[in-house]
Amino acid sequence: AQRVTQPEKLLSVFKGAPVELKCNYSYSGSPELFWYVQYSRQRLQLLLRHISRESIKGFTADLNKGETSFHLKKPFAQEEDSAMYYCALMYFGNEKLTFGTGTRLTIIP
Amino acid sequence: ETGVTQSPTHLIKTRGQQVTLRCSSQSGHNTVSWYQQALGQGPQFIFQYYREEENGRGNFPPRFSGLQFPNYSSELNVNALELDDSALYLCASSLHSRASGEQYFGPGTRLTVT
Repeated sequence: AQRVTQPEKLLSVFKGAPVELKCNYSYSGSPELFWYVQYSRQRLQLLLRHISRESIKGFTADLNKGETSFHLKKPFAQEEDSAMYYCALMYFGNEKLTFGTGTRLTIIP
Repeated sequence: ETGVTQSPTHLIKTRGQQVTLRCSSQSGHNTVSWYQQALGQGPQFIFQYYREEENGRGNFPPRFSGLQFPNYSSELNVNALELDDSALYLCASSLHSRASGEQYFGPGTRLTVT
């Protein structure tokens, strides 16, 4: 069965410091991985997906199939990055998203 | 472009009752997925509707059922409510595509079962 694990429920980082939100997954095939974000009083929205290999708001995420990880990284945290972040998995041809439990990121000014 | 809307915003029901939640998909989207998000958890997939047919179901009992209408809006029905059904119910719409994955979420309906 597919599963997504986000080991940190809470993460606090100083403004300007690097950020890394961890995500590990278990799935036997070739999944598609995503990061979704929910800012305060806003709805859940897509931040980035691994197939597009793009950087959004300075965030990047590399899919490591050997370690089954998809960690989200940003070199210099900004206050507006404070939000709830969810890692999610989907397998090709099926639009069901399997979410992790989320990490609440707080950027300390 | 109109975003995903859900109604009602909040709902309080008694154990054993039935509830219907509604979702209007984003303009141009033909697929609707429903998720249950319990407190402190990530969203859990309930089911998905495409072309008015159920197109995948998560690990939820049959008392969770749904509909999709020709205009792509959708309903989630839950019968015989249990206390554990208290959660935020999220609707997400998308354009059915094998290379997709981006889902647009509504604000959710907060259901409390007492």
